[in-house]
Amino acid sequence: AQSVTQLGSHVSVSEGALVLLRCNYSSSVPPYLFWYVQYPNQGLQLLLKYTSAATLVKGINGFEAEFKKSETSFHLTKPSAHMSDAAEYFCAVSDPSTGNQFYFGTGTSLTVIP
Amino acid sequence: EPEVTQTPSHQVTQMGQEVILRCVPISNHLYFYWYRQILGQKVEFLVSFYNNEISEKSEIFDDQFSVERPDGSNFTLKIRSTKLEDSAMYFCASSEDGGGSDTQYFGPGTRLTVL
Repeated sequence: AQSVTQLGSHVSVSEGALVLLRCNYSSSVPPYLFWYVQYPNQGLQLLLKYTSAATLVKGINGFEAEFKKSETSFHLTKPSAHMSDAAEYFCAVSDPSTGNQFYFGTGTSLTVIP
Repeated sequence: EPEVTQTPSHQVTQMGQEVILRCVPISNHLYFYWYRQILGQKVEFLVSFYNNEISEKSEIFDDQFSVERPDGSNFTLKIRSTKLEDSAMYFCASSEDGGGSDTQYFGPGTRLTVL
Protein backbone atom coordinates (compact mmCIF):
# COMPACT_ATOMS: atom_id res chain seq x y z
CA ALA A 1 0.00 0.00 0.00
CA GLN A 2 1.01 3.55 -0.57
CA SER A 3 1.85 5.94 2.24
CA VAL A 4 3.29 9.40 2.61
CA THR A 5 5.17 10.88 5.53
CA GLN A 6 5.68 14.60 5.94
CA LEU A 7 8.26 15.34 8.58
CA GLY A 8 7.45 18.45 10.54
CA SER A 9 3.83 19.46 10.96
CA HIS A 10 4.96 23.06 11.47
CA VAL A 11 7.90 24.78 9.81
CA SER A 12 8.94 28.40 10.38
CA VAL A 13 11.37 30.28 8.19
CA SER A 14 12.45 33.88 7.95
CA GLU A 15 11.45 35.90 4.93
CA GLY A 16 14.13 35.42 2.28
CA ALA A 17 15.38 32.14 3.74
CA LEU A 18 15.33 28.73 2.11
CA VAL A 19 12.11 26.75 2.38
CA LEU A 20 12.48 22.98 2.71
CA LEU A 21 9.41 20.83 3.28
CA ARG A 22 10.04 17.11 3.52
CA CYS A 23 8.06 14.28 1.97
CA ASN A 24 8.90 10.60 1.96
CA TYR A 25 6.76 7.93 0.36
CA SER A 26 6.49 4.19 0.33
CA SER A 27 5.53 2.48 -2.86
CA SER A 28 6.15 -0.85 -4.50
CA VAL A 29 6.33 0.78 -7.93
CA PRO A 30 7.54 4.17 -9.12
CA PRO A 31 4.71 6.44 -8.11
CA TYR A 32 3.30 9.71 -9.27
CA LEU A 33 3.95 12.46 -6.72
CA PHE A 34 2.24 15.76 -6.09
CA TRP A 35 2.58 18.82 -3.88
CA TYR A 36 -0.50 20.86 -3.10
CA VAL A 37 -0.82 24.13 -1.19
CA GLN A 38 -3.85 25.27 0.76
CA TYR A 39 -4.39 28.89 1.70
CA PRO A 40 -6.97 29.71 4.37
CA ASN A 41 -10.54 29.05 3.26
CA GLN A 42 -9.44 27.85 -0.15
CA GLY A 43 -9.12 24.50 -1.89
CA LEU A 44 -5.97 22.51 -2.41
CA GLN A 45 -4.03 24.03 -5.30
CA LEU A 46 -1.49 22.03 -7.28
CA LEU A 47 2.07 23.32 -6.91
CA LEU A 48 3.82 20.68 -8.99
CA LYS A 49 3.83 17.01 -9.86
CA TYR A 50 6.24 14.26 -10.81
CA THR A 51 5.08 11.77 -13.43
CA SER A 52 8.30 9.89 -14.33
CA ALA A 53 9.83 12.49 -16.60
CA ALA A 54 12.53 14.82 -15.25
CA THR A 55 13.39 14.14 -11.62
CA LEU A 56 13.65 17.86 -10.85
CA VAL A 57 10.23 19.37 -11.19
CA LYS A 58 9.52 23.08 -11.25
CA GLY A 59 6.19 24.39 -10.12
CA ILE A 60 4.36 27.61 -9.55
CA ASN A 61 5.45 30.45 -7.27
CA GLY A 62 9.14 29.51 -7.48
CA PHE A 63 8.79 26.10 -5.85
CA GLU A 64 10.53 22.99 -7.06
CA ALA A 65 10.90 19.39 -5.91
CA GLU A 66 13.31 16.61 -6.68
CA PHE A 67 12.31 12.98 -6.96
CA LYS A 68 14.99 10.78 -5.37
CA LYS A 69 14.16 7.14 -5.83
CA SER A 70 17.06 5.93 -3.68
CA GLU A 71 15.80 8.00 -0.76
CA THR A 72 12.08 7.57 -1.58
CA SER A 73 11.78 11.31 -1.17
CA PHE A 74 10.13 14.22 -2.92
CA HIS A 75 11.11 17.26 -0.86
CA LEU A 76 9.75 20.68 -1.75
CA THR A 77 12.07 23.67 -1.83
CA LYS A 78 12.05 27.35 -2.57
CA PRO A 79 15.27 29.40 -2.45
CA SER A 80 13.76 32.50 -0.86
CA ALA A 81 10.60 32.53 1.24
CA HIS A 82 8.01 35.21 0.76
CA MET A 83 5.33 36.23 3.21
CA SER A 84 2.69 35.02 0.77
CA ASP A 85 4.08 31.46 1.01
CA ALA A 86 2.53 31.03 4.44
CA ALA A 87 0.05 28.18 4.00
CA GLU A 88 -0.54 24.46 4.52
CA TYR A 89 1.39 22.17 2.19
CA PHE A 90 0.37 18.61 1.35
CA CYS A 91 2.37 15.90 -0.35
CA ALA A 92 0.42 13.19 -2.16
CA VAL A 93 1.21 10.01 -4.06
CA SER A 94 -0.72 7.86 -6.46
CA ASP A 95 0.16 4.37 -7.54
CA PRO A 96 -0.12 3.93 -11.31
CA SER A 97 -0.87 0.25 -10.88
CA THR A 98 -3.75 0.48 -8.43
CA GLY A 99 -6.03 3.24 -9.62
CA ASN A 100 -6.52 6.92 -9.24
CA GLN A 101 -6.85 7.61 -5.55
CA PHE A 102 -4.35 9.92 -3.93
CA TYR A 103 -2.63 9.14 -0.64
CA PHE A 104 -1.84 12.26 1.34
CA GLY A 105 0.56 13.17 4.07
CA THR A 106 -0.64 14.97 7.19
CA GLY A 107 0.42 18.35 5.85
CA THR A 108 3.02 20.92 6.90
CA SER A 109 2.03 24.37 8.04
CA LEU A 110 4.57 26.94 6.84
CA THR A 111 5.00 30.18 8.76
CA VAL A 112 7.11 32.96 7.29
CA ILE A 113 8.60 35.37 9.80
CA PRO A 114 9.16 38.94 8.61
CA GLU B 1 -9.80 29.85 -14.16
CA PRO B 2 -12.34 27.07 -13.62
CA GLU B 3 -12.56 25.78 -10.08
CA VAL B 4 -14.35 23.21 -7.99
CA THR B 5 -16.93 24.70 -5.65
CA GLN B 6 -18.49 23.18 -2.55
CA THR B 7 -21.50 24.06 -0.43
CA PRO B 8 -22.02 24.64 2.39
CA SER B 9 -18.66 25.74 3.76
CA HIS B 10 -19.70 24.62 7.23
CA GLN B 11 -22.44 22.19 8.24
CA VAL B 12 -23.48 21.46 11.80
CA THR B 13 -25.77 18.52 12.44
CA GLN B 14 -27.04 16.30 15.21
CA MET B 15 -25.86 12.72 15.50
CA GLY B 16 -28.13 10.41 13.55
CA GLN B 17 -29.23 13.03 11.06
CA GLU B 18 -28.69 12.80 7.31
CA VAL B 19 -26.47 15.33 5.58
CA ILE B 20 -25.81 16.04 1.94
CA LEU B 21 -22.62 17.76 0.90
CA ARG B 22 -22.63 19.36 -2.50
CA CYS B 23 -19.95 19.92 -5.08
CA VAL B 24 -19.81 21.41 -8.54
CA PRO B 25 -16.82 19.89 -10.38
CA ILE B 26 -15.02 21.58 -13.26
CA SER B 27 -17.34 21.34 -16.23
CA ASN B 28 -15.28 19.26 -18.69
CA HIS B 29 -13.96 16.84 -16.08
CA LEU B 30 -15.10 13.24 -16.09
CA TYR B 31 -13.84 11.86 -12.78
CA PHE B 32 -15.04 13.01 -9.40
CA TYR B 33 -13.77 12.28 -5.92
CA TRP B 34 -14.50 12.76 -2.25
CA TYR B 35 -11.82 12.91 0.41
CA ARG B 36 -12.03 13.77 4.07
CA GLN B 37 -9.65 15.07 6.69
CA ILE B 38 -10.33 14.52 10.35
CA LEU B 39 -8.71 17.27 12.39
CA GLY B 40 -5.01 16.61 12.82
CA GLN B 41 -5.02 13.56 10.55
CA LYS B 42 -4.26 12.81 6.93
CA VAL B 43 -6.48 13.62 4.01
CA GLU B 44 -8.12 10.27 3.23
CA PHE B 45 -9.68 9.01 0.02
CA LEU B 46 -13.35 8.06 0.22
CA VAL B 47 -14.60 7.40 -3.29
CA SER B 48 -14.12 8.07 -6.97
CA PHE B 49 -16.93 8.29 -9.50
CA TYR B 50 -16.99 7.99 -13.26
CA ASN B 51 -19.75 7.57 -15.81
CA ASN B 52 -22.42 7.56 -13.10
CA GLU B 53 -20.78 4.74 -11.21
CA ILE B 54 -18.43 4.35 -8.31
CA SER B 55 -15.04 3.37 -9.75
CA GLU B 56 -13.13 3.01 -6.47
CA LYS B 57 -13.97 3.29 -2.81
CA SER B 58 -12.05 2.97 0.40
CA GLU B 59 -12.98 0.94 3.43
CA ILE B 60 -14.14 4.16 5.05
CA PHE B 61 -16.91 4.44 2.46
CA ASP B 62 -19.38 2.06 4.05
CA ASP B 63 -23.13 1.70 3.64
CA GLN B 64 -23.90 4.96 5.38
CA PHE B 65 -22.23 6.88 2.55
CA SER B 66 -23.53 7.34 -0.96
CA VAL B 67 -22.66 9.54 -3.91
CA GLU B 68 -24.75 10.82 -6.73
CA ARG B 69 -24.58 13.04 -9.76
CA PRO B 70 -28.19 14.19 -9.79
CA ASP B 71 -27.81 16.48 -12.79
CA GLY B 72 -25.16 17.60 -15.23
CA SER B 73 -23.30 19.79 -12.80
CA ASN B 74 -23.65 18.67 -9.17
CA PHE B 75 -21.91 15.83 -7.38
CA THR B 76 -23.13 15.00 -3.90
CA LEU B 77 -22.01 13.00 -0.90
CA LYS B 78 -24.75 11.79 1.43
CA ILE B 79 -24.19 10.51 4.92
CA ARG B 80 -27.34 8.75 6.02
CA SER B 81 -27.00 8.67 9.78
CA THR B 82 -24.15 10.80 10.99
CA LYS B 83 -21.86 9.75 13.82
CA LEU B 84 -19.60 11.86 15.98
CA GLU B 85 -16.58 10.41 14.18
CA ASP B 86 -17.87 11.75 10.85
CA SER B 87 -16.85 15.23 11.96
CA ALA B 88 -14.20 16.26 9.44
CA MET B 89 -13.39 18.47 6.50
CA TYR B 90 -14.76 16.93 3.32
CA PHE B 91 -13.06 17.79 0.04
CA CYS B 92 -14.48 17.25 -3.41
CA ALA B 93 -12.13 16.94 -6.39
CA SER B 94 -12.37 16.39 -10.11
CA SER B 95 -10.00 15.43 -12.91
CA GLU B 96 -10.17 15.28 -16.69
CA ASP B 97 -9.39 11.60 -16.77
CA GLY B 98 -8.76 8.96 -14.15
CA GLY B 99 -5.11 8.30 -14.76
CA GLY B 100 -2.87 8.26 -11.71
CA SER B 101 -0.79 11.09 -13.16
CA ASP B 102 -3.77 13.30 -13.85
CA THR B 103 -4.10 16.34 -11.62
CA GLN B 104 -7.03 16.32 -9.27
CA TYR B 105 -8.50 19.77 -8.67
CA PHE B 106 -9.88 20.27 -5.19
CA GLY B 107 -12.63 22.42 -3.79
CA PRO B 108 -12.31 24.49 -0.60
CA GLY B 109 -13.99 21.84 1.51
CA THR B 110 -17.04 21.54 3.73
CA ARG B 111 -16.41 21.38 7.44
CA LEU B 112 -18.91 18.94 8.96
CA THR B 113 -19.48 19.08 12.69
CA VAL B 114 -21.59 16.34 14.25
CA LEU B 115 -22.90 17.09 17.74
